[in-house]
Amino acid sequence: DIQMTQSPSLLSASVGDRVTLNCKASQNINKNLEWYQQKLGEAPKLLIYYTNNLQTGISSRFSGSGSGTDYTLTISSLQPEDVATYYCYQYNSGHTFGAGTKLELK
Amino acid sequence: QVQLKESGPGLVQPSQTLSLTCTVSGFSLTSNSVSWVRQPPGKGLEWMGAIWSGGSTDYNSALKSRLSISRDTSKSQVFLKMNSLQTEDTAIYFCTRRRYSFDYWGQGVMVTVSS
Repeated sequence: DIQMTQSPSLLSASVGDRVTLNCKASQNINKNLEWYQQKLGEAPKLLIYYTNNLQTGISSRFSGSGSGTDYTLTISSLQPEDVATYYCYQYNSGHTFGAGTKLELK
Repeated sequence: QVQLKESGPGLVQPSQTLSLTCTVSGFSLTSNSVSWVRQPPGKGLEWMGAIWSGGSTDYNSALKSRLSISRDTSKSQVFLKMNSLQTEDTAIYFCTRRRYSFDYWGQGVMVTVSS
């Protein structure tokens, strides 16, 4: 089974900061990666599909990149409403979520 | 509009079987797949399994021996059955539509395994 490792597990940042969240797969996942945002008490929400495609209705301050085993979610200018836990998910071989990165305001 | 809603018992006794229903609207089960994803309190997401548009199923290898997913397309319902429940199965259980991604989710149902 493919393992997904997210780092850091906890990230504190200030409003306006550029924030980078990382996701590393245990083997090549051919860009078959998605990012989900989950706010407290809510269901997850799709942000990015196939590594770098922004879901309709999602702010353009979110972007994704990567290839092979290494992927990144970037928030260009952190806003208070971005406080959430972020999960990467691979579907190249099987289906695996990362353990999540909790993003909080400093 | 697309909607999914989970239903089922909030409390299940250890060693018993969990039965959950996901009732969908706004899309057809014959042209979309549905997955179950669970989340233990304070922990991350775990993909449990899926039923694909053609009716075939896939399961998380860690749960495969205990898990069954089926559907009734005429009622727009997807079913999850998992046996031999233990306390570590306490979680919020979500159903989610997958077309090209998990684009719509139910609100989730909390299931507690306790005697």
